[in-house]
Amino acid sequence: DAGITQSPRHKVTETGTPVTLRCHQTENHRYMYWYRQDPGHGLRLIHYSYGVKDTDKGEVSDGYSVSRSKTEDFLLTLESATSSQTSVYFCALREGEQHTDTQYFGPGTRLTVL
Amino acid sequence: GQNIDQPTEMTATEGAIVQINCTYQTSGFNGLFWYQQHAGEAPTFLSYNVLDGLEEKGRFSSFLSRSKGYSYLLLKELQMKDSASYLCAVLDSNYQLIWGAGTKLIIKP
Repeated sequence: DAGITQSPRHKVTETGTPVTLRCHQTENHRYMYWYRQDPGHGLRLIHYSYGVKDTDKGEVSDGYSVSRSKTEDFLLTLESATSSQTSVYFCALREGEQHTDTQYFGPGTRLTVL
Repeated sequence: GQNIDQPTEMTATEGAIVQINCTYQTSGFNGLFWYQQHAGEAPTFLSYNVLDGLEEKGRFSSFLSRSKGYSYLLLKELQMKDSASYLCAVLDSNYQLIWGAGTKLIIKP
């Protein structure tokens, strides 16, 4: 158990509203990731972090921002939600410093944008 | 472009053996992961292969052929709880994980 939680687990919001999803880890892992998962697509990387205040964009970063002000929390913000951002969002962490180390996933947040 | 192909859905019988294939075309290769994902849950790690050959882990085995851009996950003695999606992911030359869309495995009694 990698000790990773996400909140909220479910959220319904309206187009144009800001939304923040939280990922929290109980250990001290440096690497954290945000993915979205949609039917017919593989997991797609939104942003990732390699330390406090160190973040970088992934494959589908448009419309999303992230922040990591402390090791244990990685926040994903949708500044102005759109219906195309309806998805299941997974946070993951990498337990080691090697790129080949395994990623472990949080339980996910199901977001619906009306 | 980068591409991971897996069958969308497979059906198998309880107690039988099933092989789930994954073919990939990526910019570089630094290993291949298999994850299991039950409906409504998070993906969970099954295996990692970076060298050619078969790795066995209980009822599950994973095979890799780098020259063919091909991997498979072999599940033996299928149980109803093995009904899930199986995700293949390749670590590319930039050490980013490229994910397949997953194979939904349905187990019938």
